[in-house]
Amino acid sequence: DTGVSQDPRHKITKRGQNVTFRCDPISEHNRLYWYRQTLGQGPEFLTYFQNEAQLEKSRLLSDRFSAERPKGSFSTLEIQRTEQGDSAMYLCASSLVSSTRNEQFFGPGTRLTVL
Amino acid sequence: AQKVTQAQTEISVVEKEDVTLDCVYETRDTTYYLFWYKQPPSGELVFLIRRNSFDEQNEISGRYSWNFQKSTSSFNFTITASQVVDSAVYFCALRRAGSARQLTFGSGTQLTVLP
Repeated sequence: DTGVSQDPRHKITKRGQNVTFRCDPISEHNRLYWYRQTLGQGPEFLTYFQNEAQLEKSRLLSDRFSAERPKGSFSTLEIQRTEQGDSAMYLCASSLVSSTRNEQFFGPGTRLTVL
Repeated sequence: AQKVTQAQTEISVVEKEDVTLDCVYETRDTTYYLFWYKQPPSGELVFLIRRNSFDEQNEISGRYSWNFQKSTSSFNFTITASQVVDSAVYFCALRRAGSARQLTFGSGTQLTVLP
C-alpha cells in the first residue's frame, strides 16, 4: 500500500522563476489537498479537489499560484514569478469521502527555497 | 472563524516520564472534528486520531490517550512512559463538518524526549 508521494522533495530556485510540484495521492482517494507550512507554524490550507474539480481555494492562494488535477488522480501546483516569501514546505494530502472515515493522509512535502 | 491554540511551543522530558500536550480550539459550529498529527524530523505528518464533536469519550491507544472536554473546548494528548522515538512536533487540528473540508492547524508543540 503506497502512501501519498510528492515530487520533488526539495527545490531551490531564484526569485522570479516558475516552479511546479507534483502530488500523487493514495490511489482510491478522491479528495486531494494542498497546504503550505512555514518554519515553526502549522500547515495552512491552500486548496482542495474532489476528483478533478477544484472546490475551494484559500485567500493565501494568490494569482501567482495555480493548481490542477486534470484526470482526478495526480495534481500539480505551480507558482509563477516566485518570491522569497514563497519559501516553505508544500504539503499534499488525500482522503476518501465516506460516511465514517475521512482522515487526510499527508505526503512528505516539497521544500521550496527561493533565493 | 475557527482557531486552534497550542500554547506549549516546546516541551522537554526525560524518557519514561508522562507528558501532556494541550490543545484549545474555537469554533461556532456544533458539529466538527478534532485531530492530532505527529510530524517527526523527516517531515511527514502522521495521523494519530480523529474525534467527533458529539463523542466525548476519552480514548486510549497503547501509550497514547486523549482527553476531549467540550465544556472547556480542549482536546489534550497524553503520552505515558515517553520514549526517545516520541520526539517530534505534534499538531492539533480542527475541521468543520459539511462542505468545508480543510484542516485548521495549531502552531504545534515540539516534544523532545531525552534519554
